[in-house]
Amino acid sequence: KQEVTQIPAALSVPEGENLVLNCSFTDSAIYNLQWFRQDPGKGLTSLLLIQSSQREQTSGRLNASLDKSSGRSTLYIAASQPGDSATYLCAVPSLYGNKLVFGAGTILRVKS
Amino acid sequence: NAGVTQTPKFQVLKTGQSMTLQCAQDMNHEYMSWYRQDPGMGLRLIHYSVGAGITDQGEVPNGYNVSRSTTEDFPLRLLSAAPSQTSVYFCASSPSDTGFYDTEAFFGQGTRLTVV
Repeated sequence: KQEVTQIPAALSVPEGENLVLNCSFTDSAIYNLQWFRQDPGKGLTSLLLIQSSQREQTSGRLNASLDKSSGRSTLYIAASQPGDSATYLCAVPSLYGNKLVFGAGTILRVKS
Repeated sequence: NAGVTQTPKFQVLKTGQSMTLQCAQDMNHEYMSWYRQDPGMGLRLIHYSVGAGITDQGEVPNGYNVSRSTTEDFPLRLLSAAPSQTSVYFCASSPSDTGFYDTEAFFGQGTRLTVV
């Protein structure tokens, strides 16, 4: 059974810092990995989707990497801003693709 | 570009009442699904559909019914609400009829349901 773990559970950093969020998964036979952002009381917004054949994806100040063999992905946020404060979730498809298996998330607070 | 739209955004029900949570998408996606999000439990799959007329159970289907008469709509029905169904409900869709194998997931803004 696929399990997804995110470390750290919470992170507080001053504005301007570069930071890394970690996601690990137990079954390396994944098709893709997706990073989401969730603001308090809001829905999930897709940030980046990395296919299993890719090593990384970039969008603006965000860069996500994927290492299938070690069962890890990282989300790198450059020059963090208070507006980046949110919960960040990673997810992988289950074996049959019918659902996403989510990590518990990392709560990020960027202080101004 | 509406994407995935859920209504209502908030709802309070009394125990035993029934209601329908609405989900609609305008992207012509084949795959639609319902999740609930609870503190400490994360997101769990309730029901899903790979196309009109086809539905299946997820991890936590008890107390919920679904149907898929059109590609656009995937309503979730609570038959007799219980306090344990207090949660935030999310609808998600994908272009592929095989789910999330190689496509991005799109989520709605959620429905916050309280059962008293």
